[in-house]
This record gives sequence, C-alpha cells and structure tokens, in this order.
Amino acid sequence: KQEVTQIPAALSVPEGENLVLNCSFTDSAIYNLQWFRQDPGKGLTSLLLIQSSQREQTSGRLNASLDKSSGRSTLYIAASQPGDSATYLCAVRTGANNLFFGTGTRLTVIP
Amino acid sequence: GAGVSQTPSNKVTEKGKYVELRCDPISGHTALYWYRQSLGQGPEFLIYFQGTGAADDSGLPNDRFFAVRPEGSVSTLKIQRTERGDSAVYLCASSPRVGESPYNEQFFGPGTRLTVL
Repeated sequence: KQEVTQIPAALSVPEGENLVLNCSFTDSAIYNLQWFRQDPGKGLTSLLLIQSSQREQTSGRLNASLDKSSGRSTLYIAASQPGDSATYLCAVRTGANNLFFGTGTRLTVIP
Repeated sequence: GAGVSQTPSNKVTEKGKYVELRCDPISGHTALYWYRQSLGQGPEFLIYFQGTGAADDSGLPNDRFFAVRPEGSVSTLKIQRTERGDSAVYLCASSPRVGESPYNEQFFGPGTRLTVL
C-alpha cells in the first residue's frame, strides 16, 4: 500500500522567509501528485498538481517539484506571509482513482 | 460555477444512531469520491463513484458504511449504528472525467464534521 510521509509535522517561520515542505512516498508508480492547503475547519484547496511526467509546477510564490524515482516532492514557498498559515497536505494518485494523503505540515508564519 | 457542497456542515449524534451525509458535486463532474479525515491525520479514501455505480468501495471500514449516487450527481454517505470512533470530518470530492487520466484533478468540498457522543 502506498504510504505518504510529510516532514516536518509543524513549522514556524517569521514573515518574509522562504521555506520548503517535504513529502515522500513509497511507491513511485504514481499518476500525479497534488499539494493542498487546509485552513482550520475547512476543506482542501488544491494548490498545485504535478503529472508523473513533469518535474515541477509553479503558481505565484509556490513552486512544487517532483522526483518520482526517489519518491519525493517539495513545496517551496517564497517570501512567506501570515496568510500562508495553514496545514499543507501532499497527496499522490496511483493506479486506483483515489488519492493517498500525508498527515500534513502545519505552517505558522509569524508577522 | 459553484464548487462541491456538503451538508450538513456539522452533525452531532448519539452512539447507535443512523446518519446521512450529503454531497453535491460540481455540475457535470462524473467522478465522485468520499474521504474521512480523523483529527491530526490526512484524509483516507472511502469510496469512489463513476456515474451512478460504486467503482471502488475498498476504503469503507465495515458494513455499517454505505454510499449511494442514484442519479449520477448527488451522493449520500450513510452510517448505521454509529460509534464514537466514527467521529471525523467526512470530505467529498469530484473530478470532471471518468477513467484513469492523470489529468483528473479532484476538487474538494468543505466537509461535514461528524461527532458521535
């Protein structure tokens, strides 16, 4: 069974810093990988989706990379803002249609 | 257009009771998914529909859980004889196409928070 791990579990940074969140998965036979944001008591907002054939995707201050062979992805957030505070979830899609999620990284950006 | 909606947003029930949770997918989306998220964990897959049929129900934890999608749009997750361990946030997602296209991005609703006392 696919297992997805995210480290660190929690991260606190001062406003303006650049930061990296890590995601690793055990089975490299994936279709795609998604990064989501979850605010307290809310659903999931998709941030970036990387296809298995791609190496990275960018959206604004966010950049996600994928190294399928080593089972790793990173989410880079540039110039962090207090509004970036949330839990960030990584999920991979395998041959089945469902997503396998990590347990998330809880990010706090201190003003 | 509107996103995925779920009702109710919160549900409190007593152990042993029956509950129904509703999901309205994005209009025109043919695939629908249910996930369960326990406190401090990532969402875990429960069931996936293609149209009206359950294409994969391997994530349902036991036979107290059942889901339907009779007209290929709205879906209802049904839990019988609820237990305290069923307390979680139940998330619904939809995607625009059936099949195993890698481009099938899933769009999530806000979830229903179920508390079993």
